[in-house]
Amino acid sequence: AQKITQTQPGMFVQEKEAVTLDCTYDTSDQSYGLFWYKQPSSGEMIFLIYQGSYDEQNATEGRYSLNFQKARKSANLVISASQLGDSAMYFCAMREGPSWSSASKIIFGSGTRLSIRP
Amino acid sequence: NAGVTQTPKFQVLKTGQSMTLQCAQDMNHNSMYWYRQDPGMGLRLIYYSASEGTTDKGEVPNGYNVSRLNKREFSLRLESAAPSQTSVYFCASSERDSDSYEQYFGPGTRLTVT
Repeated sequence: AQKITQTQPGMFVQEKEAVTLDCTYDTSDQSYGLFWYKQPSSGEMIFLIYQGSYDEQNATEGRYSLNFQKARKSANLVISASQLGDSAMYFCAMREGPSWSSASKIIFGSGTRLSIRP
Repeated sequence: NAGVTQTPKFQVLKTGQSMTLQCAQDMNHNSMYWYRQDPGMGLRLIYYSASEGTTDKGEVPNGYNVSRLNKREFSLRLESAAPSQTSVYFCASSERDSDSYEQYFGPGTRLTVT
């Protein structure tokens, strides 16, 4: 069965510093996808970044990058130059199976609460 | 383009009452999902629908039923609400043919069962 683990319940980081949020996963599938979502205090879920299991390069989206280490089954989110607006819950998620499969579903980790200090 | 909409935004039920949470998307997506999020926790999948006319159980389906009414709408029904179903409920949709399979989320329904 697929599983996502986020071991950091909460983190405090100084503004403008870089921060790494940890995520490990467990799957027996060769084809899968990994996501990061941000949930601010307002409650909405905001998609940040995606990495496919066959992608050879780490995904990047602006200040967000995904440090994908397939052999270690880790998909850490790196936020460069953190800002006060980055304070939120961050969820790692995984889709097991290829994207075109009707059986694919996405499961989420328990989240990391990131707080940025001014 | 409204994306994913959910009604109601807030609801208070007494134990044993029933209700239906409504979800609609205007992005012509094939797949739709219902999640619940308990305080301090991640999202847990209740049911999903890979395409119109199909539904499948997720991690926590007990106490819920769903209906994929058409391609746009996916409703979640609580037949006999229990305090353990107090949670925030999110509906999401995605297009499974896209490379990323990104899910788009509704704003959530905050449900309290007393």
